[in-house]
Order: sequence, then C-alpha cells, then structure tokens
Amino acid sequence: GENVEQHPSTLSVQEGDSAVIKCTYSDSASNYFPWYKQELGKRPQLIIDIRSNVGEKKDQRIAVTLNKTAKHFSLHITETQPEDSAVYFCAATNTGNQFYFGTGTSLTVIP
Amino acid sequence: GAVVSQHPSWVICKSGTSVKIECRSLDFQATTMFWYRQFPKQSLMLMATSNEGSKATYEQGVEKDKFLINHASLTLSTLTVTSAHPEDSSFYICSARDGQGAAYEQYFGPGTRLTVT
Repeated sequence: GENVEQHPSTLSVQEGDSAVIKCTYSDSASNYFPWYKQELGKRPQLIIDIRSNVGEKKDQRIAVTLNKTAKHFSLHITETQPEDSAVYFCAATNTGNQFYFGTGTSLTVIP
Repeated sequence: GAVVSQHPSWVICKSGTSVKIECRSLDFQATTMFWYRQFPKQSLMLMATSNEGSKATYEQGVEKDKFLINHASLTLSTLTVTSAHPEDSSFYICSARDGQGAAYEQYFGPGTRLTVT
C-alpha cells in the first residue's frame, strides 16, 4: 500500500516569512495529492490540491509543487500570518477510494 | 455547499456498551464515505471506506465486527463501536465524496469525540 511521510513535524516561523512542508509517497500510481489544514478540535479543511498531470498550482499565498519522478510534493505558504497556525496534513490517493495521510506538521506563526 | 455533518459531536459511554455515530452529507449525494480515527496530535488513520448499498472495505488491523459501518443511503453512513473499551476512546471523523463533483475531493465532518469510561 501507499506510505506517505511528512516533514517537519513542527515548524515555527516569524510572521511574514515563508513556510515549506514536504511529503514523500511510495506508490507511483498515486495521482491526487491534497493538503488539509486542521485547527485544534476541528475538521480538516482542504486548502489546495494537485493532480499528477500538473507540476505546480498556486492559490494566493499557498502553492503546491509536485515532482513525480522523485515522488514528493511540497506545500509553500508565503507571507505567513498568525491565523495560518494549525496542523497541516498531506495525503495521497490513486483511486480516490483510499486516502493515505502524512503524519502532520504543526505550524506556528510567531507574531 | 459540500457540507458534512456528524452526530453526536461528543459522547461518553461506559465500557461494554455500544455507540453509534452518524455521518450525513447535507447538500450532495455521497457515493463514498470514509471513516477515520485520530489520536491526539496524530494523523488521520483510515478505518474503512463505505459505498452506498454495499459492504464497507476495512483497512488492515481494523476489526469489522467491532466497528460496524452501514452506508444505508447516499446521504447517511453510520459507525457503531460495539462493546466499547477505554482504548476505543478517540476522535472519529467521517468524510464524504461527492459522486457528482470533482473526482477525488472529500469533505470532512466535524468529528465525534468518544470517551469510554
């Protein structure tokens, strides 16, 4: 089955700086890679996703890059704000019927 | 749009009793629903995938006789934790895929915190 690894597990940045979270996956058949933001005690919220036929996708301050050859994808948050503080999860799937999640990154943005 | 509700939001039960958790898609038809378990400060672990009208597919290590899943309609799936024990205490989250929408996108419910005493 798929194995998704995520790094780092914790990340602290100064407000206004950029944050980068990286994930690797093992199954070359995986073709959809979403990123979720989860605030304490709340549901995960999809913030951006990318499909295997695209190398990069951007939505305002958030971007995701995908390297299929190396089997890794990254989340980039620019101009971080305190409200970006949360736990971020990456995930991968090849059928949409099973999602495999990374272990999560706790991001703290220091004002 | 794409709202998923879960009920109850929290429940406390005694060891040995059973607890049912409901997951509903409010404004779309969910052909597939997922059940996850999340321990504090840990990731989401997929427990099972359910498709409307068919038996759920359980992940390795998940006891199907203990965690009963029923996907009775396109808007409702239930998870019943049978003969609950303290080690079953956890945060249970469901999610649903819109059969008419983007192929793989899933929408999460707010979660149910189960405490077994």
